[in-house]
Amino acid sequence: DAGVTQSPTHLIKTRGQQVTLRCSPKSGHDTVSWYQQALGQGPQFIFQYYEEEERQRGNFPDRFSGHQFPNYSSELNVNALLLGDSALYLCASSPSGQLTDTQYFGPGTRLTVL
Amino acid sequence: AQSVTQLDSQVPVFEEAPVELRCNYSSSVSVYLFWYVQYPNQGLQLLLKYLSGSTLVESINGFEAEFNKSQTSFHLRKPSVHISDTAEYFCAVSDWNSGYALNFGKGTSLLVTP
Repeated sequence: DAGVTQSPTHLIKTRGQQVTLRCSPKSGHDTVSWYQQALGQGPQFIFQYYEEEERQRGNFPDRFSGHQFPNYSSELNVNALLLGDSALYLCASSPSGQLTDTQYFGPGTRLTVL
Repeated sequence: AQSVTQLDSQVPVFEEAPVELRCNYSSSVSVYLFWYVQYPNQGLQLLLKYLSGSTLVESINGFEAEFNKSQTSFHLRKPSVHISDTAEYFCAVSDWNSGYALNFGKGTSLLVTP
């Protein structure tokens, strides 16, 4: 049983560019959450997708957007990249999006903005 | 507003010694509490969680944590650590106010040496 997968593993962009990160949830999971983990910090919640809709959003600007597809996979898009967007981006999936669900994390995508 | 404080950023310990990683939270409502572990160059893995019931929860690899409502704490302990326990440990909280988002602490780096 494949766990949560993310692509690409690493990415280097320059300021002002746009980036798309991808996530495939664990088999049987329909809910996907995205987190940003800056160096030396804990993960920060960006948003969660359920039934192809953004269900909840954290304190991130509109430059961060996402999408969930009918097969439950998800994309995170970041426009107008800033140096401060450099971080590890983690995707997490859960079986039904209940508050008590365990969130299963992928290995992350390391984004470097130059 | 909900917050999570991990009181130690780094904890060095010798192999086979006991260890305690401290976590305090603030919330005005009932909480769900989690400990995640992040090994080098890997994603987050759930170590254990408290949802309700017994305040002492255990993991399969010898860690345990106790929910203390009066002290708003959820400290993680292990009576005898191994070299392989070297990793970053994150405490996380969710509640009905935060919705589906996990709110993480900044992490504690556990370094086990021979």
